[in-house]
Amino acid sequence: GAGVSQSPSNKVTEKGKDVELRCDPISGHTALYWYRQSLGQGLEFLIYFQGNSAPDKSGLPSDRFSAERTGGSVSTLTIQRTQQEDSAVYLCASSVGQFNEQFFGPGTRLTVL
Amino acid sequence: KNEVEQSPQNLTAQEGEFITINCSYSVGISALHWLQQHPGGGIVSLFMLSSGKKKHGRLIATINIQEKHSSLHITASHPRDSAVYICAVRGYGGATNKLIFGTGTLLAVQP
Repeated sequence: GAGVSQSPSNKVTEKGKDVELRCDPISGHTALYWYRQSLGQGLEFLIYFQGNSAPDKSGLPSDRFSAERTGGSVSTLTIQRTQQEDSAVYLCASSVGQFNEQFFGPGTRLTVL
Repeated sequence: KNEVEQSPQNLTAQEGEFITINCSYSVGISALHWLQQHPGGGIVSLFMLSSGKKKHGRLIATINIQEKHSSLHITASHPRDSAVYICAVRGYGGATNKLIFGTGTLLAVQP
């Protein structure tokens, strides 16, 4: 498919464990975003990658959250020592450039027990 | 007060009705997005606009930069339009990297 893909689609983990969420953006899209949608709350920005520039990490809620983007393509969002409040749907989006329409992936539903 | 406010929060309409969803924002923006999210489904971008009006099929989006307000209209609504509609804005300068989202409008179109 030509869309944004994310894996896994669902992840259940125990409190205190680390998790990795993966995003495959649309080929050729230089901009990549991670968002979080918590139950009953709106979407919130987490981190933004643009080409080879330093990422904008201003939305990451704590130092337990980190993300990287290798080779300007695939991105991994890592949450260390997960807490119950980390339970949410984590969405990835990509766009041709910073000021273009964003295409969203299906999301990863994370449940921390 | 949220930087992006949507109204109404919930909307129920009968099939065929004309629907309007409103979005007001309090920050300077470089663009405004309208997104659609079906229950249990992914998010689809409907419009991105920075001025005037855009139309796609039965959907129309307008924006008034001076009044910091945008509307999403659905003509001849259909049950398949039932979804959450989300308004999001992109700021200026250092704030252009991220979208600020409204809390969404849950639309139910009854046959």
